Amino acid sequence: EAGVAQSPRYKIIEKRQSVAFWCNPISGHATLYWYQQILGQGPKLLIQFQNNGVVDDSQLPKDRFSAERLKGVDSTLKIQPAKLEDSAVYLCASSQDRGELFFGSGTQLSVL
Amino acid sequence: GDSVTQMEGPVTLSEEAFLTINCTYTATGYPSLFWYVQYPGEGLQLLLKATKADDKGSNKGFEATYRKETTSFHLEKGSVQVSDSAVYFCALRSSGGFKTIFGAGTRPFVKA
Repeated sequence: EAGVAQSPRYKIIEKRQSVAFWCNPISGHATLYWYQQILGQGPKLLIQFQNNGVVDDSQLPKDRFSAERLKGVDSTLKIQPAKLEDSAVYLCASSQDRGELFFGSGTQLSVL
Repeated sequence: GDSVTQMEGPVTLSEEAFLTINCTYTATGYPSLFWYVQYPGEGLQLLLKATKADDKGSNKGFEATYRKETTSFHLEKGSVQVSDSAVYFCALRSSGGFKTIFGAGTRPFVKA
């Protein structure tokens, strides 16, 4: 069974530029999550989708972050414009029944 | 709101020593509790879980018991190996099932 796929693996941008991350969850998993993991901290939930609807986006900085999950499968997370404090690892995860989360390898973002 | 508190690291111990990583939580209702592990260069993966009070989760020699009276879910292993050097995250899923919250992570260093 293929795992959660994320790309790119690494991204370096300058502040005020835009960036996008892509995630393909495990086939059949209805729930998809985007987490932000700042160095030395635990993952923080940014947004959670159930199929293609948003369940929770209370911690998503909506003035600069956006996410979509078209057709209830792949998802894209975008940051525009990026700030220095957005430097982090962005993790995508999926689950079948809101139980165990399966994580991708993450995208490491550096904002200079 | 719901929260998870882990003992802070780093924790340094010798191979074959006994490992304990403390985790306490605050939540309404009856959350499910998890331990995830992140090996160097890899994504988070589930180590063990417990879904109700007094349940014991176990995997790869690790154990944790869901203690509702002390709101704790401490991770233990009787004889650690160098290969157990990783970051361990305690997590809870709220009883509504909508959100999984992570602790800050604990990194034990195991010396040969």
